[in-house]
Amino acid sequence: EIVLTQSPTTMAASPGEKVTLTCRASSSVSYMHWYQQRSGTSPKLWIYETSKLASGVPNRFSGSGSGTSYSLTINSMETEDAATYYCQQGSSYPWTFGGGTKLELK
Amino acid sequence: QVKLLQSGAALVKPGASVKMSCKASGYTFTDYWVSWVKQSHGKSLEWIGEIYPNSGATNFNEKFKGKATLTVDKSTSTAYMELSRLTSEDSAIYYCTRPNWGDVMDAWGQGASVTVSS
Repeated sequence: EIVLTQSPTTMAASPGEKVTLTCRASSSVSYMHWYQQRSGTSPKLWIYETSKLASGVPNRFSGSGSGTSYSLTINSMETEDAATYYCQQGSSYPWTFGGGTKLELK
Repeated sequence: QVKLLQSGAALVKPGASVKMSCKASGYTFTDYWVSWVKQSHGKSLEWIGEIYPNSGATNFNEKFKGKATLTVDKSTSTAYMELSRLTSEDSAIYYCTRPNWGDVMDAWGQGASVTVSS
């Protein structure tokens, strides 16, 4: 099973601040997907195949990476971006998720 | 638009089973797999398995083999997951999802809460 480790576990950012979340895989994967989950709601697809933004996702978000190291970046933090973000790999079964990064507004 | 409507919360006794549903709309049900994901309280996500409605083919996370059974009813575009021999470890929110382009879960149900308690 491929283990995904996200860092940091929790962080706080001020409006306008640049934010980078990372996801490291225990083995190389072909790509990474990211989901956003706001409190009390279902996860939503946010970024897929490493760098493609899901429908409706603001272009201040971006994704990058390859092999075992991936990241999600917010160019300029906004209030609505406060949420938990999970990475997910589907390169091999079982599909696995990272532990999540909780992003709070400072 | 694509919607996955799940059944409501369930309170079940230890050792019992529970069966939950996921009704799909807004797309051709038999063209896409349906996947199930577990989220224990305040914790991360675990992929349980998936089923292809057209054939009934399944793939499972080894951890959930023997625990989860996946079925579909093509006539009502509904997927089901039954969890057996429930313990407190099974208390969680369960989501059905639609994997698109292979493993990209682009639609999620609202979640079904299962509480196992005597």
